[in-house]
Amino acid sequence: GAGVSQSPRYKVAKRGQDVALRCDPISGHVSLFWYQQALGQGPEFLTYFQNEAQLDKSGLPSDRFFAERPEGSVSTLKIQRTQQEDSAVYLCASSLRGWGQVNQPQHFGDGTRLSIL
Amino acid sequence: DAKTTQPNSMESNEEEPVHLPCNHSTISGTDYIHWYRQLPSQGPEYVIHGLTSNVNNRMASLAIAEDRKSSTLILHRATLRDAAVYYCILSRGTDKLIFGTGTRLQVFP
Repeated sequence: GAGVSQSPRYKVAKRGQDVALRCDPISGHVSLFWYQQALGQGPEFLTYFQNEAQLDKSGLPSDRFFAERPEGSVSTLKIQRTQQEDSAVYLCASSLRGWGQVNQPQHFGDGTRLSIL
Repeated sequence: DAKTTQPNSMESNEEEPVHLPCNHSTISGTDYIHWYRQLPSQGPEYVIHGLTSNVNNRMASLAIAEDRKSSTLILHRATLRDAAVYYCILSRGTDKLIFGTGTRLQVFP
């Protein structure tokens, strides 16, 4: 079956440009997560959706980062006025977890590698 | 969130068992122990999780110490495809995963 799909796989942008990264979760998965992974480090949590509701955005590094999931399926992570320190791999994950369900595994996409020049 | 401590790297030969340790001395009673692994250029992949009892699945086994302050991920017969970074993560059922830097496993033919 189809896993989590992310696009584009690679994105190069000039400093100051806006970028949009897309995540298609596994069909029927309630929860969706975004993580940021710098080179040589483990992924770091950015934000979490349950259906269309953004329940946790505590990991977003600045107000230049914005995420949405308007219909409870596809999600977009947008970064405005990109800076060089935004260069990283952005990972999306989904899980079946809904209210009252605990410890459902997260299924990750292969990420979007963002390079800011 | 409780922290975990893992060795930076480990080595194994193909077809040998591998024991990947994880220390979590500040674990609380409601923390589950999760293991994920990340192959090169891929997203993390769920391996196994447990609370108190040892767990087995098709990928690996998880041995949890009686005091729960440490655990060990066991790969029964390492293959070249098992070369990856392995992350030990504590989760209280909250949704986000807090990754450390993990253990980089090298497997030699």
